[in-house]
Amino acid sequence: GEDVEQSLFLSVREGDSSVINCTYTDSSSTYLYWYKQEPGAGLQLLTYIFSNMDMKQDQRLTVLLNKKDKHLSLRIADTQTGDSAIYFCAETPISGGYNKLIFGAGTRLAVHP
Amino acid sequence: EAGVAQSPRYKIIEKRQSVAFWCNPISGHATLYWYQQILGQGPKLLIQFQNNGVVDDSQLPKDRFSAERLKGVDSTLKIQPAKLEDSAVYLCASRTFGAGNTEAFFGQGTRLTVV
Repeated sequence: GEDVEQSLFLSVREGDSSVINCTYTDSSSTYLYWYKQEPGAGLQLLTYIFSNMDMKQDQRLTVLLNKKDKHLSLRIADTQTGDSAIYFCAETPISGGYNKLIFGAGTRLAVHP
Repeated sequence: EAGVAQSPRYKIIEKRQSVAFWCNPISGHATLYWYQQILGQGPKLLIQFQNNGVVDDSQLPKDRFSAERLKGVDSTLKIQPAKLEDSAVYLCASRTFGAGNTEAFFGQGTRLTVV
């Protein structure tokens, strides 16, 4: 079956690194995404990784994938107050062929001075 | 490129009333999703269209919710009658359909409050 789980809350000091974790259960090949949601706003795609990759880096963002444990993480370097938001992990299983997009519950990131 | 448009942005209704939400996806996007996001939770897929056909409505409460996508473009989501637990943000998203990765684009959502 398909399920995505995340820790619900993370608090970091400005300038530190943040690491947000996610686990997924689908056993087929899949695309995995990180979305950001600011208060009152829609969902914004930050980055994605395909399940045959181990790592992807995009400026301050690093995505790490442990395929064996089905564990995904998002590292934000030099976290700023503007990074305060809810971060959602999501996956699109390749099986089924219909571009399903399944979200976790979201991790609320709070950045304090 | 214009984004996904949703209306209204906000709606307050009394329980047992009816309500409808509208979504205009990005032109050319075959896949359209409706999600329900209850406060403090992640988006839950209600229904997914591929052009004008439904490919997944397994989590849609069909006794009160209905959705259509006539002509494979705009879509409406209706709730009749509404319950207090339907209070949520209703998000519409669209995506091109293909074998590789494609980005899903989200609208701003409609915040529904049922009193």
